[in-house]
Amino acid sequence: SQQGEEDPQALSIQEGENATMNCSYKTSINNLQWYRQNSGRGLVHLILIRSNEREKHSGRLRVTLDTSKKSSSLLITASRAADTASYFCATAPNSGGYQKVTFGTGTKLQVIP
Amino acid sequence: ETGVTQSPTHLIKTRGQQVTLRCSSQSGHNTVSWYQQALGQGPQFIFQYYREEENGRGNFPPRFSGLQFPNYSSELNVNALELDDSALYLCASTPDRGDSPLHFGNGTRLTVT
Repeated sequence: SQQGEEDPQALSIQEGENATMNCSYKTSINNLQWYRQNSGRGLVHLILIRSNEREKHSGRLRVTLDTSKKSSSLLITASRAADTASYFCATAPNSGGYQKVTFGTGTKLQVIP
Repeated sequence: ETGVTQSPTHLIKTRGQQVTLRCSSQSGHNTVSWYQQALGQGPQFIFQYYREEENGRGNFPPRFSGLQFPNYSSELNVNALELDDSALYLCASTPDRGDSPLHFGNGTRLTVT
């Protein structure tokens, strides 16, 4: 089962514009992560935000987390054609033991040159 | 630093057959997780291995089994293949069981006919 759901499912923007993707999840979490996947390849970790953090930046990426609403957003600024990929949020549970990281359904981003 | 490698990259099997997929974890990583990704979906957690022991399992039947070896490489075995097993199988490693980001291989594309 998918823990998170991304919104929108697909997004098409012009190069240079900003892209915003949202993620909602269901259970309490230890952290939330964002990954990127180019077509048919493995996922690449982008950024991790812990449950006690509200905002985090990495280069052109900005992630926010609202644990009261169980939601997160990923903002990519000044998009490039190379940003074209699927983006997934993933949550790690707020419990001990193994880290079962659960992925959402993904947002497919197309950046038009 | 050697990343996560998976073999084979593509595989075609017939319904009812058995398959073994292989994964070499990133250097220094002792934890391996396996994911199944159907077309257009997010990855689904199959199980995790930590120091040669199964350390957590998702909602997959017993015909999905695994192994981890002393060098932390891992195998995923699937018996009695079904058409719905057609998917991209992803292996990810982490340096421990904690909340480190997942490092993914490029996956094995399995087609069951």
